Amino acid sequence: DVKVTQSSRYLVKRTGEKVFLECVQDMDHENMFWYRQDPGLGLRLIYFSYDVKMKEKGDIPEGYSVSREKKERFSLILESASTNQTSMYLCASSLWQGGGGYTFGSGTRLTVV
Amino acid sequence: GEDVEQSLFLSVREGDSSVINCTYTDSSSTYLYWYKQEPGAGLQLLTYIFSNMDMKQDQRLTVLLNKKDKHLSLRIADTQTGDSAIYFCAEKTDGQNFVFGPGTRLSVLP
Repeated sequence: DVKVTQSSRYLVKRTGEKVFLECVQDMDHENMFWYRQDPGLGLRLIYFSYDVKMKEKGDIPEGYSVSREKKERFSLILESASTNQTSMYLCASSLWQGGGGYTFGSGTRLTVV
Repeated sequence: GEDVEQSLFLSVREGDSSVINCTYTDSSSTYLYWYKQEPGAGLQLLTYIFSNMDMKQDQRLTVLLNKKDKHLSLRIADTQTGDSAIYFCAEKTDGQNFVFGPGTRLSVLP
């Protein structure tokens, strides 16, 4: 069964900490994405990547960075966590070609205190 | 720019049909999708339709696409309590990114 795996379901971090959210997919997908989901705001795209070592800013990249050293892994980094980054973070992957859609991970609920 | 709109809430009685509607603005959409999100979980792909199709049926799910009006709908027949979730409409245009709607929260009443 194909999967997108996010390393943690729940995280609690302190303000100012550096936070790493990991995402791994086993489908050999080229594209990977990080979204955050907040009540009333829907899904907002933070960063995406179409290839190894490639990254592009999404709609709300401020306060975040990403790393894609290997095709299967896409990491989201909060350099200095703040309370307004408390959210549900969703990773997704997709093939470059075709209409198969995104495959999402289960999400990481991050609380910054 | 690209925009996808949905009504935010829908309530139906168990056993009735649910119809969730979506409108989009980008006429170059190639594929349109319906995702389901249960509480505390990620999004699960339910079904998708290629833009040159009008309809797609998969068991209890029927997707209708009116490309002229840029309107997409998802009909769930014989709605069950397990169908209670948030349903997201999404479009894929010429690029690789998707544009998601805000989600429709479906509540199924016994």
